[in-house]
Amino acid sequence: GAVVSQHPSWVICKSGTSVKIECRSLDFQATTMFWYRQFPKQSLMLMATSNEGSKATYEQGVEKDKFLINHASLTLSTLTVTSAHPEDSSFYICSAAPVDRAETQYFGPGTRLLVL
Amino acid sequence: QKEVEQNSGPLSVPEGAIASLNCTYSDRVSQSFFWYRQYSGKSPELIMSIYSNGDKEDGRFTAQLNKASQYVSLLIRDSQPSDSATYLCAPWNSGNTPLVFGKGTRLSVIA
Repeated sequence: GAVVSQHPSWVICKSGTSVKIECRSLDFQATTMFWYRQFPKQSLMLMATSNEGSKATYEQGVEKDKFLINHASLTLSTLTVTSAHPEDSSFYICSAAPVDRAETQYFGPGTRLLVL
Repeated sequence: QKEVEQNSGPLSVPEGAIASLNCTYSDRVSQSFFWYRQYSGKSPELIMSIYSNGDKEDGRFTAQLNKASQYVSLLIRDSQPSDSATYLCAPWNSGNTPLVFGKGTRLSVIA
């Protein structure tokens, strides 16, 4: 149980294009999902907290217009990197907290983004 | 500002030894504590959680919590080369708040 999937697992795109990453909780409902970014050999950096049916809460320094988050259902959150640039190349990881166990976060396998 | 401090390592231990990973946190109201393991190039996976002061054992893993000292640790007995990874400590407060991760300790188990 407690499986979180992400799609795609990796993506290569040209600079200026937009990329959508999906995060799904497969066997549980998640009121809250979190989006992280991790650069090589660095720690996880929380980007935003996504709550079903409401606007995401972004961490300081994260541009909400560049990283669009939609949490339309209790099992799906999406992150869209708009007008991606090479500096956006990173490992994007989502996590989801079950409705009945809000303290426990389960991570997706991550999406590796390379912007050329 | 919530802070989580971990020794970045690398912590090198021989195969079969006990690996001891330590973590201190600044938020006194933290209620739950989680240890995640992250292999290189992979996302974190949950290995242990602890909510009360004292020890909690799960297989080769033992988590220890001392809320008065704001200290949580993870012991790995009979360390195996497959335990080589970065271990992340994460306190949790309440509600739908995100976990606050330390930078992690890189463990290397030498065969």
